[in-house]
Amino acid sequence: DQQVKQNSPSLSVQEGRISILNCDYTNSMFDYFLWYKKYPAEGPTFLISISSIKDKNEDGRFTVFLNKSAKHLSLHIVPSQPGDSAVYFCAAPDSWGKLQFGAGTQVVVTP
Amino acid sequence: NAGVMQNPRHLVRRRGQEARLRCSPMKGHSHVYWYRQLPEEGLKFMVYLQKENIIDESGMPKERFSAEFPKEGPSILRIQQVVRGDSAAYFCASSPLRSGGQETQYFGPGTRLLVL
Repeated sequence: DQQVKQNSPSLSVQEGRISILNCDYTNSMFDYFLWYKKYPAEGPTFLISISSIKDKNEDGRFTVFLNKSAKHLSLHIVPSQPGDSAVYFCAAPDSWGKLQFGAGTQVVVTP
Repeated sequence: NAGVMQNPRHLVRRRGQEARLRCSPMKGHSHVYWYRQLPEEGLKFMVYLQKENIIDESGMPKERFSAEFPKEGPSILRIQQVVRGDSAAYFCASSPLRSGGQETQYFGPGTRLLVL
């Protein structure tokens, strides 16, 4: 039962342009969402989070938007840089705190 | 402040052997979570522990797998009689004392287990 879904396995974007990553969830009890970035052979690195009481959270080049009615969130990266090439995971903790992860989106930033 | 530490980073075992994976949480963190990433898949929860307690092991296979987080020392994920299907990356994450459930989990670099 996949409660967090990332339907785009990959995204290619030109350096300097905006990257938009999407995530949908089915569990209306989720009240906190996180984005992690992962390089090959490394562990996920926390990027940004958002509480369900907000609809936007911004940190530098990264902004996460939450649409609770649509059960949808998105991560915007602007401007995209070559170092942003990685796999991005959307995740949400259940009531016990265990994270439910999406399948990930591979982002490739081209020069 | 050192991050989450895991060792070994790579582990090779033959079928039937035992694998022991260790995780030291971040300083001040009392909650440890283990996740597994099979090839070409996302991360899947295995077990959630606090010191000397298993809180939730619903994601862990019923046989051959066990986990502990003793009063002193690292958390240990133990896989007995490994099979090829156990080959995966095993990640440990830690978080501080939970308040309201909105705590960020920080991940270690993972242990890549290869079963020959």
